[in-house]
Amino acid sequence: GENVEQHPSTLSVQEGDSAVIKCTYSDSASNYFPWYKQELGKRPQLIIDIRSNVGEKKDQRIAVTLNKTAKHFSLHITETQPEDSAVYFCAAIAGGSSWGKFQFGAGTQVVVTP
Amino acid sequence: DARVTQTPRHKVTEMGQEVTMRCQPILGHNTVFWYRQTMMQGLELLAYFRNRAPLDDSGMPKDRFSAEMPDATLATLKIQPSEPRDSAVYFCASGLSVGGNTGELFFGEGSRLTVL
Repeated sequence: GENVEQHPSTLSVQEGDSAVIKCTYSDSASNYFPWYKQELGKRPQLIIDIRSNVGEKKDQRIAVTLNKTAKHFSLHITETQPEDSAVYFCAAIAGGSSWGKFQFGAGTQVVVTP
Repeated sequence: DARVTQTPRHKVTEMGQEVTMRCQPILGHNTVFWYRQTMMQGLELLAYFRNRAPLDDSGMPKDRFSAEMPDATLATLKIQPSEPRDSAVYFCASGLSVGGNTGELFFGEGSRLTVL
């Protein structure tokens, strides 16, 4: 089955700086790569996603890049703000008999300090 | 505003008691997931259904946990007997997967379980 590794586990950045979180996956049949943000005490919510036919996607201050050859994808947050402080989870959704199965990375705790 | 609904939101019980958590997925969604989250852990996949059929419950302790979808509007996760180590937040999530294409996964608010 799919195995997703996420790094770093914690990330502390100064407000205004950029944050980058990286994930690697094992199943070359994976074709959907979403990122979820979970604020303290809340449920995870989708912030951005990318499909395997696209290399990069941007939405205001967040962007995701995908390298299918190397089997890794990254979340980039620019001009970080205190409200970006949360846990971020990546996922790689595999095809084949497991299609649709959401297996998440271990999460990255992002702390943005003013 | 379509939402995944979970009950109960909070549950405190004693060791050995049966616990049942319920989830109403978003109407029209065909995949349902149960995840467990503890303070130091990420989202641990317990069970996964597509079109009400269980596809993967390899992450679930089979001796005490069971997950079912009696119909398309209800998913249940049962723990019997419960143990203190089961204390966690249990999330239900639903989505739509068709023809190998997967859409956004929507999470419920979670059920916070405390087993004393």
